[in-house]
Amino acid sequence: DTGVSQDPRHKITKRGQNVTFRCDPISEHNRLYWYRQTLGQGPEFLTYFQNEAQLEKSRLLSDRFSAERPKGSFSTLEIQRTEQGDSAMYLCASGQGGTNTEAFFGQGTRLTVV
Amino acid sequence: GDSVTQMEGPVTLSEEAFLTINCTYTATGYPSLFWYVQYPGEGLQLLLKATKADDKGSNKGFEATYRKETTSFHLEKGSVQVSDSAVYFCALRNSGGSNYKLTFGKGTLLTVNP
Repeated sequence: DTGVSQDPRHKITKRGQNVTFRCDPISEHNRLYWYRQTLGQGPEFLTYFQNEAQLEKSRLLSDRFSAERPKGSFSTLEIQRTEQGDSAMYLCASGQGGTNTEAFFGQGTRLTVV
Repeated sequence: GDSVTQMEGPVTLSEEAFLTINCTYTATGYPSLFWYVQYPGEGLQLLLKATKADDKGSNKGFEATYRKETTSFHLEKGSVQVSDSAVYFCALRNSGGSNYKLTFGKGTLLTVNP
Protein backbone atom coordinates (compact mmCIF):
# COMPACT_ATOMS: atom_id res chain seq x y z
CA ASP A 1 0.00 0.00 0.00
CA THR A 2 1.57 3.28 -1.07
CA GLY A 3 -0.95 5.64 0.49
CA VAL A 4 -0.59 7.84 3.55
CA SER A 5 -0.23 5.73 6.67
CA GLN A 6 -0.74 6.77 10.26
CA ASP A 7 0.22 5.03 13.45
CA PRO A 8 -1.35 4.17 15.80
CA ARG A 9 -4.92 3.97 14.55
CA HIS A 10 -6.29 4.28 18.05
CA LYS A 11 -4.81 5.64 21.26
CA ILE A 12 -6.37 5.78 24.71
CA THR A 13 -4.44 7.78 27.25
CA LYS A 14 -4.95 9.20 30.70
CA ARG A 15 -5.26 12.93 31.15
CA GLY A 16 -1.87 14.51 31.69
CA GLN A 17 0.08 11.94 29.69
CA ASN A 18 2.06 12.71 26.56
CA VAL A 19 1.23 11.05 23.25
CA THR A 20 2.97 10.95 19.90
CA PHE A 21 1.49 10.08 16.53
CA ARG A 22 3.33 9.25 13.35
CA CYS A 23 2.45 9.94 9.72
CA ASP A 24 4.21 8.45 6.70
CA PRO A 25 3.21 10.41 3.59
CA ILE A 26 3.28 9.21 0.02
CA SER A 27 6.98 9.05 -0.72
CA GLU A 28 7.34 11.71 -3.41
CA HIS A 29 5.06 14.25 -1.71
CA ASN A 30 6.74 17.37 -0.39
CA ARG A 31 3.68 18.83 1.34
CA LEU A 32 2.35 17.37 4.60
CA TYR A 33 -0.60 18.51 6.69
CA TRP A 34 -2.09 17.69 10.05
CA TYR A 35 -5.79 18.19 10.66
CA ARG A 36 -8.00 17.52 13.67
CA GLN A 37 -11.55 16.26 13.39
CA THR A 38 -13.95 16.22 16.33
CA LEU A 39 -17.30 14.48 16.38
CA GLY A 40 -19.81 16.08 14.07
CA GLN A 41 -17.30 18.51 12.61
CA GLY A 42 -15.20 18.66 9.50
CA PRO A 43 -11.42 18.43 9.66
CA GLU A 44 -9.69 21.59 10.92
CA PHE A 45 -6.22 22.58 9.79
CA LEU A 46 -3.48 22.32 12.41
CA THR A 47 -0.15 22.67 10.65
CA TYR A 48 1.65 22.44 7.32
CA PHE A 49 5.12 21.29 6.27
CA GLN A 50 6.86 21.80 2.98
CA ASN A 51 9.66 19.30 3.01
CA GLU A 52 11.16 19.62 6.51
CA ALA A 53 10.08 23.22 7.08
CA GLN A 54 7.00 23.91 9.19
CA LEU A 55 5.52 26.85 7.32
CA GLU A 56 2.21 27.43 9.04
CA LYS A 57 0.59 26.64 12.38
CA SER A 58 -3.04 27.20 13.23
CA ARG A 59 -3.98 29.00 16.43
CA LEU A 60 -5.66 25.69 17.31
CA LEU A 61 -2.16 24.34 17.87
CA SER A 62 -1.51 25.31 21.46
CA ASP A 63 1.95 25.22 23.02
CA ARG A 64 1.23 21.67 24.22
CA PHE A 65 1.31 20.53 20.60
CA SER A 66 4.47 20.12 18.58
CA ALA A 67 5.00 18.69 15.13
CA GLU A 68 8.16 17.75 13.32
CA ARG A 69 9.13 16.42 9.95
CA PRO A 70 12.80 15.56 10.10
CA LYS A 71 14.44 15.08 6.72
CA GLY A 72 11.20 15.93 4.99
CA SER A 73 9.87 12.39 5.15
CA PHE A 74 7.66 11.10 7.98
CA SER A 75 6.12 13.47 10.51
CA THR A 76 5.28 13.23 14.19
CA LEU A 77 2.67 15.11 16.17
CA GLU A 78 3.18 15.19 19.93
CA ILE A 79 0.67 16.34 22.48
CA GLN A 80 2.01 17.02 25.95
CA ARG A 81 -0.09 16.97 29.13
CA THR A 82 -3.17 15.74 27.29
CA GLU A 83 -6.59 17.11 28.20
CA GLN A 84 -10.01 15.62 27.60
CA GLY A 85 -10.62 18.29 24.99
CA ASP A 86 -7.80 16.81 22.92
CA SER A 87 -9.94 13.75 22.20
CA ALA A 88 -10.39 13.74 18.44
CA MET A 89 -9.36 12.11 15.19
CA TYR A 90 -5.98 13.39 14.01
CA LEU A 91 -5.63 13.25 10.25
CA CYS A 92 -2.51 13.49 8.15
CA ALA A 93 -2.53 14.40 4.47
CA SER A 94 0.16 14.77 1.86
CA GLY A 95 0.39 16.34 -1.56
CA GLN A 96 2.71 17.37 -4.32
CA GLY A 97 2.55 20.25 -6.73
CA GLY A 98 0.34 23.31 -6.97
CA THR A 99 -3.07 24.51 -5.98
CA ASN A 100 -5.03 22.21 -8.28
CA THR A 101 -3.51 18.98 -7.08
CA GLU A 102 -5.14 16.57 -4.68
CA ALA A 103 -4.34 16.07 -1.02
CA PHE A 104 -4.31 12.40 0.01
CA PHE A 105 -5.46 11.55 3.51
CA GLY A 106 -4.48 8.81 5.90
CA GLN A 107 -7.04 6.89 7.94
CA GLY A 108 -6.30 8.95 11.01
CA THR A 109 -5.39 8.34 14.62
CA ARG A 110 -8.30 8.40 17.03
CA LEU A 111 -7.23 9.77 20.40
CA THR A 112 -9.35 9.27 23.50
CA VAL A 113 -8.24 11.04 26.68
CA VAL A 114 -9.81 9.58 29.82
CA GLY B 1 -11.63 34.15 6.73
CA ASP B 2 -12.58 31.25 4.50
CA SER B 3 -15.57 29.13 5.46
CA VAL B 4 -17.78 26.37 4.07
CA THR B 5 -21.40 25.78 5.00
CA GLN B 6 -23.04 22.57 3.99
CA MET B 7 -26.43 21.06 4.45
CA GLU B 8 -26.92 19.52 7.85
CA GLY B 9 -27.69 15.87 7.98
CA PRO B 10 -28.34 13.18 8.42
CA VAL B 11 -29.88 12.51 5.04
CA THR B 12 -31.71 9.23 4.57
CA LEU B 13 -32.78 8.09 1.11
CA SER B 14 -34.06 5.00 -0.56
CA GLU B 15 -31.98 3.32 -3.22
CA GLU B 16 -32.31 4.99 -6.66
CA ALA B 17 -33.48 8.28 -5.16
CA PHE B 18 -32.06 11.63 -6.27
CA LEU B 19 -29.47 13.21 -4.00
CA THR B 20 -28.62 16.85 -3.43
CA ILE B 21 -26.28 18.05 -0.70
CA ASN B 22 -26.01 21.82 -0.62
CA CYS B 23 -22.71 23.59 -0.10
CA THR B 24 -21.95 27.31 -0.06
CA TYR B 25 -18.67 29.02 0.65
CA THR B 26 -17.08 32.29 1.65
CA ALA B 27 -13.57 32.99 0.46
CA THR B 28 -11.31 35.73 -0.72
CA GLY B 29 -9.89 35.29 -4.17
CA TYR B 30 -10.72 32.35 -6.39
CA PRO B 31 -10.75 29.07 -4.48
CA SER B 32 -10.74 25.56 -5.82
CA LEU B 33 -13.67 23.51 -4.57
CA PHE B 34 -13.79 19.87 -3.55
CA TRP B 35 -16.08 17.15 -2.33
CA TYR B 36 -14.49 14.50 -0.14
CA VAL B 37 -16.18 11.29 1.00
CA GLN B 38 -15.49 9.25 4.12
CA TYR B 39 -16.79 5.69 4.08
CA PRO B 40 -17.20 3.93 7.43
CA GLY B 41 -13.81 3.02 8.89
CA GLU B 42 -11.87 4.64 6.08
CA GLY B 43 -9.97 7.85 5.47
CA LEU B 44 -11.13 10.85 3.47
CA GLN B 45 -11.10 10.32 -0.28
CA LEU B 46 -11.41 12.95 -2.95
CA LEU B 47 -14.70 12.49 -4.78
CA LEU B 48 -14.54 15.37 -7.25
CA LYS B 49 -13.20 18.86 -7.69
CA ALA B 50 -13.59 22.05 -9.71
CA THR B 51 -10.96 24.71 -10.02
CA LYS B 52 -12.73 27.63 -11.67
CA ALA B 53 -16.16 29.13 -12.16
CA ASP B 54 -18.64 27.05 -14.21
CA ASP B 55 -16.40 23.96 -14.04
CA LYS B 56 -18.29 20.75 -13.39
CA GLY B 57 -16.57 18.05 -11.39
CA SER B 58 -17.86 14.51 -11.76
CA ASN B 59 -17.01 11.03 -10.52
CA LYS B 60 -18.89 7.79 -9.82
CA GLY B 61 -22.17 9.36 -10.96
CA PHE B 62 -21.78 12.37 -8.63
CA GLU B 63 -21.60 15.89 -10.05
CA ALA B 64 -21.08 19.39 -8.72
CA THR B 65 -20.84 22.70 -10.58
CA TYR B 66 -18.76 25.64 -9.36
CA ARG B 67 -21.19 28.58 -9.25
CA LYS B 68 -19.31 31.77 -8.51
CA GLU B 69 -22.39 33.98 -8.67
CA THR B 70 -24.09 32.04 -5.88
CA THR B 71 -20.83 30.89 -4.19
CA SER B 72 -22.13 27.34 -4.28
CA PHE B 73 -20.91 23.84 -5.12
CA HIS B 74 -23.89 21.54 -4.57
CA LEU B 75 -23.35 17.79 -4.84
CA GLU B 76 -25.87 15.78 -6.87
CA LYS B 77 -26.42 12.19 -7.93
CA GLY B 78 -29.32 10.97 -9.99
CA SER B 79 -29.69 7.53 -8.46
CA VAL B 80 -28.02 6.65 -5.17
CA GLN B 81 -26.96 3.18 -4.13
CA VAL B 82 -26.58 1.58 -0.72
CA SER B 83 -22.81 1.69 -1.25
CA ASP B 84 -22.98 5.52 -1.36
CA SER B 85 -23.73 5.58 2.37
CA ALA B 86 -20.95 7.72 3.84
CA VAL B 87 -20.13 11.16 5.20
CA TYR B 88 -19.64 13.82 2.52
CA PHE B 89 -17.50 16.91 3.09
CA CYS B 90 -17.43 20.04 0.98
CA ALA B 91 -14.10 21.87 1.07
CA LEU B 92 -12.28 24.79 -0.48
CA ARG B 93 -8.66 25.58 -1.08
CA ASN B 94 -7.83 29.22 -1.51
CA SER B 95 -5.55 30.29 -4.28
CA GLY B 96 -3.88 32.87 -2.06
CA GLY B 97 -0.73 31.88 -0.21
CA SER B 98 1.25 28.77 -0.91
CA ASN B 99 0.20 26.25 1.70
CA TYR B 100 -2.80 24.86 -0.21
CA LYS B 101 -4.60 23.95 3.00
CA LEU B 102 -8.22 22.85 2.88
CA THR B 103 -11.14 24.42 4.72
CA PHE B 104 -13.94 21.91 5.29
CA GLY B 105 -17.64 22.03 6.02
CA LYS B 106 -19.05 20.02 8.91
CA GLY B 107 -19.97 17.04 6.79
CA THR B 108 -23.28 15.44 5.84
CA LEU B 109 -24.06 11.85 6.76
CA LEU B 110 -25.89 10.04 3.97
CA THR B 111 -27.64 6.74 4.60
CA VAL B 112 -29.14 4.88 1.65
CA ASN B 113 -31.60 2.13 2.43
CA PRO B 114 -32.33 -0.79 0.09
